[in-house]
Amino acid sequence: DSGVTQTPKHLITATGQRVTLRCSPRSGDLSVYWYQQSLDQGLQFLIQYYNGEERAKGNILERFSAQQFPDLHSELNLSSLELGDSALYFCASSVVPGAPNTEAFFGQGTRLTVV
Amino acid sequence: AQKVTQAQTEISVVEKEDVTLDCVYETRDTTYYLFWYKQPPSGELVFLIRRNSFDEQNEISGRYSWNFQKSTSSFNFTITASQVVDSAVYFCALSPGFQKLVFGTGTRLLVSP
Repeated sequence: DSGVTQTPKHLITATGQRVTLRCSPRSGDLSVYWYQQSLDQGLQFLIQYYNGEERAKGNILERFSAQQFPDLHSELNLSSLELGDSALYFCASSVVPGAPNTEAFFGQGTRLTVV
Repeated sequence: AQKVTQAQTEISVVEKEDVTLDCVYETRDTTYYLFWYKQPPSGELVFLIRRNSFDEQNEISGRYSWNFQKSTSSFNFTITASQVVDSAVYFCALSPGFQKLVFGTGTRLLVSP
């Protein structure tokens, strides 16, 4: 158990809909990362938050947004869903980005299926 | 830009064979971190090892060992005496000071009894 909790584990929704994925980081971790794993794109970094502030952005679509709340949990919002958004979405957390001897611990992922 | 190449898409071995998974990376950063993760059929990403760019010592953990060579930009992973439970997809990843992870495309390892 990595200590990172993601809910829900599975989500099936229709095209055009909006969903919210939730992530609770490990106790003490201030930084949260979101990744998308799809068959054609592999594992890709989406966005990073550190202590409530956006820290880095990857290949995140404009239809997607995220935030980190004061209790440090994070939500990834996906809207106007398309079939191609079907993927496994991972959240990871670490203590402080850039510090030595930190590693990212991943949650179990949310499998999103858009039909 | 950072890039990680795992040229082996799939490897099949028989139990008890040794197997090496290759990882070649590209980065212009002088300080960076290299990782290996295991993704079993259940889907989660399991952290295996992190290596700092300034520490080229090889590491052994049970049946697992890692060979880091800066001169060839490689960070290879060897499983000794493979077991069926080692069947998974293995990802090599690179991070410049842990801002984000850049993953390779993964190597699927199939260990048959």
